[in-house]
Amino acid sequence: AQKITQTQPGMFVQEKEAVTLDCTYDTSDPSYGLFWYKQPSSGEMIFLIYQGSYDQQNATEGRYSLNFQKARKSANLVISASQLGDSAMYFCAMREGSDTGNQFYFGTGTSLTVIP
Amino acid sequence: AAGVIQSPRHLIKEKRETATLKCYPIPRHDTVYWYQQGPGQDPQFLISFYEKMQSDKGSIPDRFSAQQFSDYHSELNMSSLELGDSALYFCASSLGLPWGQGVSPLHFGNGTRLTVT
Repeated sequence: AQKITQTQPGMFVQEKEAVTLDCTYDTSDPSYGLFWYKQPSSGEMIFLIYQGSYDQQNATEGRYSLNFQKARKSANLVISASQLGDSAMYFCAMREGSDTGNQFYFGTGTSLTVIP
Repeated sequence: AAGVIQSPRHLIKEKRETATLKCYPIPRHDTVYWYQQGPGQDPQFLISFYEKMQSDKGSIPDRFSAQQFSDYHSELNMSSLELGDSALYFCASSLGLPWGQGVSPLHFGNGTRLTVT
């Protein structure tokens, strides 16, 4: 089974509007971390935001917030006030905290295009 | 702040040649990962090291090997290169936290773009 599922291959948003990128995950581990990364066309992977499974509040980092619904196993990324520079691939990832290995699991990504 | 350093940024090799990619993790990070990302693909985990010991192995071909040295830098050695090895190779590092103390994010280098002709 897929550990991370991103069901939106591509999304479009008008500049200055908010957009939600979906991510669902699958784990039986009580301790895990969820991450979002941005990959612009230049290729680098930029860490955006992190949510721990024990965190009581949704994570926020500037214009990024994570809508964490533990019971639904979803960790959607919300980008407010979209900017042209937000156009990129966005990857959701997870690491299980008690995993004896060190793997991070990535989703297949969502390509976001911000329209002027 | 110091980031993950990868070299070279670009590499062009011919089929059946060898290549060595280098990675310098963020200081004090004890875990290093290698990922391969093909065009339009998500990153595929190859291998990881914790405190210089191999800790996990993913879809790394037998033609590839990696190690982490005493100064924590890591090298990915690729032999008998094939056209399909053309990809962006990322190194990433993180801090391994004891279980129950949270999970540290992966910090990626800028990647090495390998082209095999």
